[in-house]
Amino acid sequence: IVMTQSPLSLPVTPGEPASISCKSSQSLVHSSGYNCLDWYLQKPGQSPQLLIYLGSTRAAGVPERFSGSGSGTDFTLKISRVEADDVGIYYCMQALETPRTFGQGTKVEIK
Amino acid sequence: HLVESGGALVQPGKSLRLSCSASGFRFDDFAMSWVRQVPGKGLEWISGITWNGANRGYADSVQGRFTIARDNDQNSLFLQMDSLRVEDTAIYFCTKDTSVGLRGGMDVWGQGTTVIVSS
Repeated sequence: IVMTQSPLSLPVTPGEPASISCKSSQSLVHSSGYNCLDWYLQKPGQSPQLLIYLGSTRAAGVPERFSGSGSGTDFTLKISRVEADDVGIYYCMQALETPRTFGQGTKVEIK
Repeated sequence: HLVESGGALVQPGKSLRLSCSASGFRFDDFAMSWVRQVPGKGLEWISGITWNGANRGYADSVQGRFTIARDNDQNSLFLQMDSLRVEDTAIYFCTKDTSVGLRGGMDVWGQGTTVIVSS
């Protein structure tokens, strides 16, 4: 399954909203009804961290300003109000089948 | 908490075994995976194993060369890497899944161990 993210670079203004798109080459809907799509953030110099799994479930400790939406082949990660600490590279990943595959990554930087 | 070990400088064609020691959670309740990253590049999921080891998956790039295994009694995950290639050079992360299978997110990541394949 090929994952395609856009944009690949996203300059953001603190306090403003931001969104990243992720499209898959085939539907990520599992027979259970869940969308097997995760979002990760890799901050500079750190290991990646899970933000969202099953399309829209926030991982433990993730701020409410992060939200995931979408179904099938089109997904979006939204940050309601960007903070300086949100800079890094965001990846989507499909978990419907192995091999799991990541998108190319979207680099978020402060303007 | 996940701690990887075993990374090294190795010649092409040789073998290496990575280990990941887990603590702070019930190891045998969760699937586990290995993800690698060439510095400055994106993430690549390379292998995963369900909670009981019954099901394993591999990326096409390592299929037939790498073998994932786990020891639930020792709270450990392993990656046996054979026939190493220069393009296997990367940081290798051990990850914990949110569920017994390989369809949830990976919510715990180690700090990574570096593998360099070079003559």
